[in-house]
Amino acid sequence: GQQLNQSPQSMFIQEGEDVSMNCTSSSIFNTWLWYKQDPGEGPVLLIALYKAGELTSNGRLTAQFGITRKDSFLNISASIPSDVGIYFCAAPRGGADGLTFGKGTHLIIQP
Amino acid sequence: GAGVSQSPRYKVAKRGQDVALRCDPISGHVSLFWYQQALGQGPEFLTYFQNEAQLDKSGLPSDRFFAERPEGSVSTLKIQRTQQEDSAVYLCASSWRTSGYYNEQFFGPGTRLTVL
Repeated sequence: GQQLNQSPQSMFIQEGEDVSMNCTSSSIFNTWLWYKQDPGEGPVLLIALYKAGELTSNGRLTAQFGITRKDSFLNISASIPSDVGIYFCAAPRGGADGLTFGKGTHLIIQP
Repeated sequence: GAGVSQSPRYKVAKRGQDVALRCDPISGHVSLFWYQQALGQGPEFLTYFQNEAQLDKSGLPSDRFFAERPEGSVSTLKIQRTQQEDSAVYLCASSWRTSGYYNEQFFGPGTRLTVL
């Protein structure tokens, strides 16, 4: 099946630093989604991308839909403590409903 | 509340027991999804309902897993003869769209199932 490869697996950063993470696949997608999951909660959608090359921002978050349609990137600027959590990329299951998720990037912020 | 709710939030079962997990979607939402999230992994698709019809159950890992949504609102995921490998968080998501609008899929908090 389709596999989304997220990196890095975890990040330890200082408050105020910028963060970059990415998601790659051998499959082509028409939609890329980025979610954040806090402990004990379900994933919450951060940004949705629908067009190759698209760059979309949501506050301090910026995500890009790769030109090849096989990858996507998420950047967080000037990180704050509430940014801690697990970030997942997701894409539609090929030819079916529902989503395929990556394994997540665990973001840890040191004060 | 206005969000997706799931109950129980935590469930501990002895191996071999049957369990039933409930999802209350957002009122009026047509589509309902179940996902399984193992520790340290992303959610994995289990099954999809459009109203009361189960249109896709390709992600259910075995015939011990059964889901229903008889009146097109509340859904129940049942696992028979639970095994230790069934231990995971079970997430429910709903959407008022029928398909293709993935930005409108809202997730519940999940049920954490532990099988001893």
